[in-house]
Amino acid sequence: DTAVSQTPKYLVTQMGNDKSIKCEQNLGHDTMYWYKQDSKKFLKIMFSYNNKELIINETVPNRFSPKSPDKAHLNLHINSLELGDSAVYFCASSRPGLALNEQFFGPGTRLTVL
Amino acid sequence: KNQVEQSPQSLIILEGKNCTLQCNYTVSPFSNLRWYKQDTGRGPVSLTIMTFSENTKSNGRYTATLDADTKQSSLHITASQLSDSASYICVVSAPKAAGNKLTFGGGTRVLVKP
Repeated sequence: DTAVSQTPKYLVTQMGNDKSIKCEQNLGHDTMYWYKQDSKKFLKIMFSYNNKELIINETVPNRFSPKSPDKAHLNLHINSLELGDSAVYFCASSRPGLALNEQFFGPGTRLTVL
Repeated sequence: KNQVEQSPQSLIILEGKNCTLQCNYTVSPFSNLRWYKQDTGRGPVSLTIMTFSENTKSNGRYTATLDADTKQSSLHITASQLSDSASYICVVSAPKAAGNKLTFGGGTRVLVKP
């Protein structure tokens, strides 16, 4: 199936731990994103990568470090997890110039920090 | 401050009825406006994308309108079905020169009852 996939779907961990969320897209897109959806359901951009290069970094704590090994992958590593990091994290991808840069979203990863 | 506000926050309608969701935005500069549908536990899926020169766009039973002068958009759902139960999110995109940044509304939760 052509899609944006994320693993894991659910992640429950203790405060202070380090965790990673993986994202892969097989749509041939060259731009990938990470979004955070808080309890009020607002989606906010965290990072954007184009061809493995960081192009958007929206005032995110440096505990969050995205890594793009290639155009099809954008992983999110979080150090020293805090209670406020609990949210649903969505990965997305797009190809600028295609349908007004329409973004395709993954299914989300629900992170719960205890 | 760039904002996207949606109303109502939630609504309940009977199967087969029509409903209209509203979106007001202050985002500038503006490139296009999108409506996404987000099912519970899933990522958002694009319904329509409109540029400032488009007044209306349809996707099946979904019809979006845009008034770029008043910075208002609406999403009309015709003959609602149980599968229309979801959150509907209005998203405004900045131009490519501004990084194609998306600003998300908080969504309208629609519940269709039999």
